[in-house]
Amino acid sequence: DGGITQSPKYLFRKEGQNVTLSCEQNLNHDAMYWYRQDPGQGLRLIYYSQIVNDFQKGDIAEGYSVSREKKESFPLTVTSAQKNPTAFYLCASRDRGRVTRNEQFFGPGTRLTVL
Amino acid sequence: GNSVTQMEGPVTLSEEAFLTINCTYTATGYPSLFWYVQYPGEGLQLLLKATKADDKGSNKGFEATYRKETTSFHLEKGSVQVSDSAVYFCALSAPTGANSKLTFGKGITLSVRP
Repeated sequence: DGGITQSPKYLFRKEGQNVTLSCEQNLNHDAMYWYRQDPGQGLRLIYYSQIVNDFQKGDIAEGYSVSREKKESFPLTVTSAQKNPTAFYLCASRDRGRVTRNEQFFGPGTRLTVL
Repeated sequence: GNSVTQMEGPVTLSEEAFLTINCTYTATGYPSLFWYVQYPGEGLQLLLKATKADDKGSNKGFEATYRKETTSFHLEKGSVQVSDSAVYFCALSAPTGANSKLTFGKGITLSVRP
């Protein structure tokens, strides 16, 4: 089955440590996205990538970094510079084909807790 | 810039009640509009969408009509079930095409009691 996987589902880290969240898709989608979800705030875009080896900052990129070395993978690193990293992180991808090109498909999410 | 406004929540209904969740938007051009649903502890799933004015999206008994004159995309269901309990997000995608990004509303939690 095609889909998006995020691992792990729950992640705990100590304050001051960098942590990398995994996102893999086998949908052959060109575009991938990272969102942060906080209670009562909806989803906010962190970074996105339209093609391999290219990515752009979203609305809240400070304290985060990404890479896009392969089409199917878009890992997100939460650095120690991120002031409030505890949140639910969602990865999404999008097919740039004509019919479904505006739809984004989401992974199950990773809940990061910084102690 | 683009924005999506959803009605304040949470919403609690009895099973078989009628549901309306309001959503209005601000965008330049002609956005595509979406409703996503998030069940507890999971990611988002696309519930329905509409890509042009007067389009009606529908799925699993839910409906929403793209109203350009009122810039709205209200979600409705005639008879809710306990299994509809979830968080619902209204979103728009603009500009359309290669660089389209989603803008989300804050979401509203729906609880349906038996």
